[in-house]
Amino acid sequence: DGGITQSPKYLFRKEGQNVTLSCEQNLNHDAMYWYRQDPGQGLRLIYYSQIVNDFQKGDIAEGYSVSREKKESFPLTVTSAQKNPTAFYLCASKRDYSANEQFFGPGTRLTVL
Amino acid sequence: GQQLNQSPQSMFIQEGEDVSMNCTSSSIFNTWLWYKQDPGEGPVLLIALYKAGELTSNGRLTAQFGITRKDSFLNISASIPSDVGIYFCAGRVSGGSYIPTFGRGTSLIVHP
Repeated sequence: DGGITQSPKYLFRKEGQNVTLSCEQNLNHDAMYWYRQDPGQGLRLIYYSQIVNDFQKGDIAEGYSVSREKKESFPLTVTSAQKNPTAFYLCASKRDYSANEQFFGPGTRLTVL
Repeated sequence: GQQLNQSPQSMFIQEGEDVSMNCTSSSIFNTWLWYKQDPGEGPVLLIALYKAGELTSNGRLTAQFGITRKDSFLNISASIPSDVGIYFCAGRVSGGSYIPTFGRGTSLIVHP
């Protein structure tokens, strides 16, 4: 089955620790995205990558970092510099940057204790 | 930046009732998208609209691209319990990064 996988589903970390969220897609999509979702909020863009080996900051990139070394993978690192990291994180991909439909992964709920 | 206002924020309805929600924007969009997010999952695209005035259906769902290109509407007829979730609108302009702007979502609860 083609799709986007995010792991783990639930993640707990102590304050001050960096943590990396995984996002893998086997849809052969060029573009990938990371969003953060908080209760009552829309989806806020953290980082995006239109093609392998390239990525751009979104609206709320501070305290986060990404890499795009492989087409199918777009991991997100939540660093200790992120002041309020507890949230639901969604990864998405598109066939290419101009395509209309984004396909979303199932999300990772990160709780920082 | 672009602002998207989605309303209502939440709805509590009885099974069988019809539902209406809408999004309005401060700027013109070329594409309107409606997504549904089941609890604890990622959003799934329901309907995409590409032209002002366009009316598109997907089963019991009907969405419209407003004539002014600054708004869009989603209607759900004869709601059922599995309609529960958060519905997001998203608007997009052509060009640039092609990244959609999302509304804050409408949370729908359907009582059997």
